[in-house]
Amino acid sequence: KNQVEQSPQSLIILEGKNCTLQCNYTVSPFSNLRWYKQDTGRGPVSLTIMTFSENTKSNGRYTATLDADTKQSSLHITASQLSDSASYICVVSALRGGATNKLIFGTGTLLAVQP
Amino acid sequence: GAVVSQHPSWVICKSGTSVKIECRSLDFQATTMFWYRQFPKKSLMLMATSNEGSKATYEQGVEKDKFLINHASLTLSTLTVTSAHPEDSSFYICSARRGWGPNTEAFFGQGTRLTVV
Repeated sequence: KNQVEQSPQSLIILEGKNCTLQCNYTVSPFSNLRWYKQDTGRGPVSLTIMTFSENTKSNGRYTATLDADTKQSSLHITASQLSDSASYICVVSALRGGATNKLIFGTGTLLAVQP
Repeated sequence: GAVVSQHPSWVICKSGTSVKIECRSLDFQATTMFWYRQFPKKSLMLMATSNEGSKATYEQGVEKDKFLINHASLTLSTLTVTSAHPEDSSFYICSARRGWGPNTEAFFGQGTRLTVV
């Protein structure tokens, strides 16, 4: 069964600190992995997308890693800001034949950055 | 980046009425549009996939007569919740994909909060 699990469920950190969010998946056949940021009451916004051959990808203070062998990914946030408070969702794309893949969503990690 | 706009952002309606939600890709032509539903503190759940000019493909358990999807053009898809009931209250999100291929980016709308009273 295709699943995406994220940990921790929620996290509270102080402004300026770093944090790492985890994503484990059992999705096959694997196409790509994406990290999204979703503010409360808003749609998800893409942070990174990685294919099988990519190990790391950065987007400003966000750095995502992918280990396709162990089927794990992490999202590292550096020098956190209050605006980083949001839900971070790991989404794995499964090849489904044709042009339309199936996106498997994790339940997200709710991050709260406190001053 | 590509912009996907949903309208309205929130809506309150009476039980038994129908509500239409629009999803527009503002600066690109969307080959495929997706409709999701999200419950509080839960993950997005895919409801249906639609391609312009063809019937939507609904996920298992989603009533096609309840959630009508029309994809009239490459920039507009609509979701109509028919005969809405309180249990239909939820956060509905659309996404639009630009181009083809398995690694093509999908951009999300800002979501629509539906409350049925």
